This record gives sequence, structure tokens and C-alpha cells, in this order.
Amino acid sequence: DSGVTQTPKHLITATGQRVTLRCSPRSGDLSVYWYQQSLDQGLQFLIQYYNGEERAKGNILERFSAQQFPDLHSELNLSSLELGDSALYFCASSPRDSSTGELFFGEGSRLTVL
Amino acid sequence: AQSVAQPEDQVNVAEGNPLTVKCTYSVSGNPYLFWYVQYPNRGLQFLLKYITGDNLVKGSYGFEAEFNKSQTSFHLKKPSALVSDSALYFCAVRDEGTGFQKLVFGTGTRLLVSP
Repeated sequence: DSGVTQTPKHLITATGQRVTLRCSPRSGDLSVYWYQQSLDQGLQFLIQYYNGEERAKGNILERFSAQQFPDLHSELNLSSLELGDSALYFCASSPRDSSTGELFFGEGSRLTVL
Repeated sequence: AQSVAQPEDQVNVAEGNPLTVKCTYSVSGNPYLFWYVQYPNRGLQFLLKYITGDNLVKGSYGFEAEFNKSQTSFHLKKPSALVSDSALYFCAVRDEGTGFQKLVFGTGTRLLVSP
């Protein structure tokens, strides 16, 4: 158990809909990262937050947005969903923004868009 | 930009035999390299990392990795494979800029250990 909690574990929805994925980082961790894992794209970095502020953006679509709240949990919002958004979405956390250490991953939220 | 490459989609090895999963990197500056493992329907688990120091890094579950600067490689190794080692393995490199750091992952290598 990494200490990173993601909900829901599975989500099935229709095209055009909007969903919210939630992540609670390890206790004390200030950084939260979102990654998307799909069969054809591998693991793609989406976005990073540190103590409530956006720090880095990767291959995140404009239809997607995220935020980190004062209690440090984070939410990834996916809107106008398309079939191609079906993927496993991982959240990870790390203790310090400039740490040389590893990321701790949650078990992911599997999104299926029908 | 920092990147890693995993040239093999799949590696097959018999239980008890040594295994190697390959990774090469491309970085500007000092490389910070990582290996992660993903079991079915699970998140990624940290195995080991190279920041500086000895070129042979020891990690979890009996895995080790050899850092080779001249060949820009960071291959994952284990002297004796177990069936339970069958999983998806990712090499990663730290990418950092002003005020941020993140990991960039390779495409993954599926390890299949046969009994």
C-alpha cells in the first residue's frame, strides 16, 4: 500500500459526459501528479500540483482540468469525454517539490467511455 | 528534453535464470534514473533509483540495476527470476525545470517468467 488513495477505482460513462477523479496523497506529501496510461500512448504525464499551485503541465487536453485543495487532495476533471479518453488515470505524490526521490502511485482509476 | 527508451516490448525468461530488462536514457545534465514495476490491475511500485554514486544499484525484491554512463544505459537485472516477477516494468528519468520536477517514463517492458 503506497498510501495514495484514488477514487473511484472504476468508472463507466458515455461520450460527452463529465467525470471527476479524486486523489488523496500520502500523509505529508505536498506534490501531486496525474498520469494517464493507455495502450497506445503509454504513461503520459498530465499535470503536477505543489501545495495547491500548478507547477507543471504535460500532455493535458483543454477538456481536462485539475486542482489541488487546501487539504492537499486533488481532483482531475474530464469533460466532453471521447472514446479515446478511456484509460487508466494514476495519481502520484512526493514529499518535496525538488526531491530526488521516487513518486508514490495510487492504484489508479480506470475510465471507460462508451 | 529528458527521455528514456525501452527497446523490448517483452522479455521471456525461465524461472531460475538471470533476467535483464534494458533501458537507455537521454538527458542533459546529471541523470536521475528510476525503475518501477506494475502488476496487473495495480499502480506502479518503486523498485530502485540511481542518483549518484555506485554504478550498481540494489533495490527491492532482489532487483538491481547497472548504470553505464558511456553507453547511456540503466539496465534492470536479477540473478534468478521468479514466476512472481512477471509484470510490466518501466524505466523513468527525472525531468526538471524551474520550480518543478516530474518523471518521464519509457514505454514499458513486459517480463514473462515461465515455470
